[in-house]
Amino acid sequence: SQKIEQNSEALNIQEGKTATLTCNYTNYSPAYLQWYRQDPGRGPVFLLLIRENEKEKRKERLKVTFDTTLKQSLFHITASQPADSATYLCALDMLDNQAGTALIFGKGTTLSVSS
Amino acid sequence: DAEITQSPRHKITETGRQVTLACHQTWNHNNMFWYRQDLGHGLRLIHYSYGVQDTNKGEVSDGYSVSRSNTEDLPLTLESAASSQTSVYFCASSESETEIYEQYFGPGTRLTVT
Repeated sequence: SQKIEQNSEALNIQEGKTATLTCNYTNYSPAYLQWYRQDPGRGPVFLLLIRENEKEKRKERLKVTFDTTLKQSLFHITASQPADSATYLCALDMLDNQAGTALIFGKGTTLSVSS
Repeated sequence: DAEITQSPRHKITETGRQVTLACHQTWNHNNMFWYRQDLGHGLRLIHYSYGVQDTNKGEVSDGYSVSRSNTEDLPLTLESAASSQTSVYFCASSESETEIYEQYFGPGTRLTVT
């Protein structure tokens, strides 16, 4: 069956360092992969989408990579700040290679950035 | 500004009662989704709809139903609430006409079944 794993439940880093979060999947051939941020008591907020034919995507201090051979995405936050502290979720389209369908989410990694 | 709202934000109900959670979006999105979020399980898909009169079951649909009579609303009904349905429920919507697949989430409804 399809499975998404975010390797760390929690990640603690110091301000200014780069945070790297990992998302692995099995039994999928996704057309794209998405990353969301969720703050306590709130709904997830979309951050980035990367397509299967893209190796890397950047947005300000965020960078996402997508390796369909390894079945893995890495999410980087450079020059991290305490305001980056949140839970980060990766998500894949539910149906293989059919974009725009419902999403399956990983359980998330909670990032804590200390000053 | 367009938005997606959920009501109520908090609800306490008794086992066996029927409960309906409302979701309303003004994005004019065809796609709408209901998820539940529990510690240790993350977000799990309950039901989804790709347009008016279209509904589909997700991973954890038992005990839940939805109906889609217009573009803006997708109410979620718990036919006979059970303690296992205590959770935080999120509604989301997304575009279908363009290659924009991001989902917009509501603020969530915290449901407690006693």
